[in-house]
Amino acid sequence: ETGVTQTPRHLVMGMTNKKSLKCEQHLGHNAMYWYKQSAKKPLELMFVYNFKEQTENNSVPSRFSPECPNSSHLFLHLHTLQPEDSALYLCASSQGSLNTEAFFGQGTRLTVV
Amino acid sequence: DQQVKQNSPSLSVQEGRISILNCDYTNSMFDYFLWYKKYPAEGPTFLISISSIKDKNEDGRFTVFLNKSAKHLSLHIVPSQPGDSAVYFCAASAKNNDMRFGAGTRLTVKP
Repeated sequence: ETGVTQTPRHLVMGMTNKKSLKCEQHLGHNAMYWYKQSAKKPLELMFVYNFKEQTENNSVPSRFSPECPNSSHLFLHLHTLQPEDSALYLCASSQGSLNTEAFFGQGTRLTVV
Repeated sequence: DQQVKQNSPSLSVQEGRISILNCDYTNSMFDYFLWYKKYPAEGPTFLISISSIKDKNEDGRFTVFLNKSAKHLSLHIVPSQPGDSAVYFCAASAKNNDMRFGAGTRLTVKP
């Protein structure tokens, strides 16, 4: 138990569906992240929120839309995804975004059919 | 642009022997390095870190070595145990920048 909880753990969705991934942290951290892990590829940073403000968007397609309503919750809204978006999506949090250890959730295994 | 590289996708060692996992980076601005361990169906968990002002950091069976001139770091596990079998990710960060990860090395420790 890392203090970062992601739901759902598994998700299968069609290309025309709209779904959301949820992340919640109980660590009092002020930075939250979405990462994507595809097979045999490095973890890819997608979005960073620091004090609820988005500070980085690594050229992620607009079919991925993040939302950070408060410093404890982070969402990733998904719509019209492609099969190549199938991956493990990991949420993480840290105390500040610079040179600090990040705590990861267990991830959501997403399959787009 | 892959700034952190783990060129060995897998490594197999015998229980009790030393495991050495390697990581190379290209960005000379990186000043903090971390190793994460990941079991199946779980998120990565922090293992050990090192600042660029040091060349070695030790925590029990785990030691991280940093060679700044070669832009190389390594994680040594000794003695290796079957429970160490997992995927190990190297990560690096720079001031005003967020963490970049390598692709991971799958370590298998055989009894």
